[in-house]
Order: sequence, then C-alpha cells, then structure tokens
Amino acid sequence: DIVMTQSPDTLAVSLGDRATIRCTSSHSLVYGANNKNYVSWYQQKPGQPPKLLIYWASTRDSGVPDRFSGAGSGTDFTLTISSLQAEDVAVYYCQQHHVTPWTFGQGTKVEI
Amino acid sequence: QVQLQESGPGLVKPSGTLSLTCNVSGASVNSYYWSWIRQAPGKRLEWVGFSFYTGDTELNPFLGNRVTISVDTSKNQVSLTLNSVTAADTAVYHCAGGRGRSTWFDHWGQGVLVIVSS
Repeated sequence: DIVMTQSPDTLAVSLGDRATIRCTSSHSLVYGANNKNYVSWYQQKPGQPPKLLIYWASTRDSGVPDRFSGAGSGTDFTLTISSLQAEDVAVYYCQQHHVTPWTFGQGTKVEI
Repeated sequence: QVQLQESGPGLVKPSGTLSLTCNVSGASVNSYYWSWIRQAPGKRLEWVGFSFYTGDTELNPFLGNRVTISVDTSKNQVSLTLNSVTAADTAVYHCAGGRGRSTWFDHWGQGVLVIVSS
C-alpha cells in the first residue's frame, strides 16, 4: 500500500499567519498518461465529515476560499493556508487516489 | 445539492454482521463511484472499497473477503456489509461519492458510529 505521511501532527498558528502542512507519499503519485498528481486534501471539523478542498494536488474545489492552496509533485506535497482564519481550525488530511487501496495521511490538527 | 445519509445499527455483536445503507439524494446513484470510508477512534481515515452501478467494484484487501459493497439503482442507495466483525471494526463509517474510478471524494455523508461489543 502507498503510505501517506503528514507533518506536523499538530500545528499552532496565530490568526492571520501562514500555515503549511506537508504530505509525503511512499510512491510517486504522478499518472504518466496525463502528468497529473493524484492527491487530494480534505478539511474535517469536529462532528462533521471531511470536506474536499484540493484535488490533483493544486486545484481548489468550487467554493473553497483562495487562501487555501496546494502544491507539489511526485512524492512531496503541501497544503498552505495563507492567512489563518478562526473557521480554519480543523484536522486536514491528504489522500492518494493513484493506486488502490486509496490511503490517507494520519491528519494534521491546525489550531490557533 | 447531493446529500448522503448513512443508516444502520449502532451496535453489533462480535462475530456478527455489520450492515449499513447510504441513501443518496440530489443525484442519481448512477453518477458516482461510491466508497465506504471508516475512521476508528484516534486512527486515520481508512478506505474500505468502492462500487459503481455497473458492478465495477474494488475492495481494500485488508478486509479480506468479509466485505461487500453494492449499489441499488431502484432505491438510489449504496450498501455495505461486513461479516465476522471484531472490536477492531468499531469506527465511524462514511459513504462518499467520487465522479470517476480514480478521483477524489466530492461528497461525504455525516457518518454513522458502529460499535462492536457484546
């Protein structure tokens, strides 16, 4: 199975500051036929299901604020919140959908 | 707006069968690949498997042959059956839909907590 490892496990950031989460994959997530990276990012708030933020490593889902951005290729990816807002407190997960079984990172808790 | 609602028993006895249903509204069940994803207390999200209305199904090998996922187009529902459960199967179970076979999960249900205990 592809192992997804996130760092850090917990991230404390001041309001308005930048938050960056890293996700490392045990195998490359680039699909050769289209050169896309098969990794997505989700936000999960307490008592809620995960919500899609980013797909194909860097494409924001519809309605996601532009302070969220994704980057990376191959095995190293990042999710950045450019200016942390109070409503961004949540656990963030990366996920690979390149090879089954699909796998998730362990999650990064972002707090103020 | 696509909405997913999981339902099923919240308590299952060890060695018993876990059966859950995901009711899909706001979209045809034919439009998505449907996955079940679970989250045990303190653990990461774990993909159980997916199924498409054509019968195209893929299951996570870690569950062996204990799991079945099916799509009922007449009821616009997705089902999960997990046999021979143990305490390790205690988790919140989510259904989730993705547009393609190898795509992200666009829509998630709220999830249902299933506890395996005698």
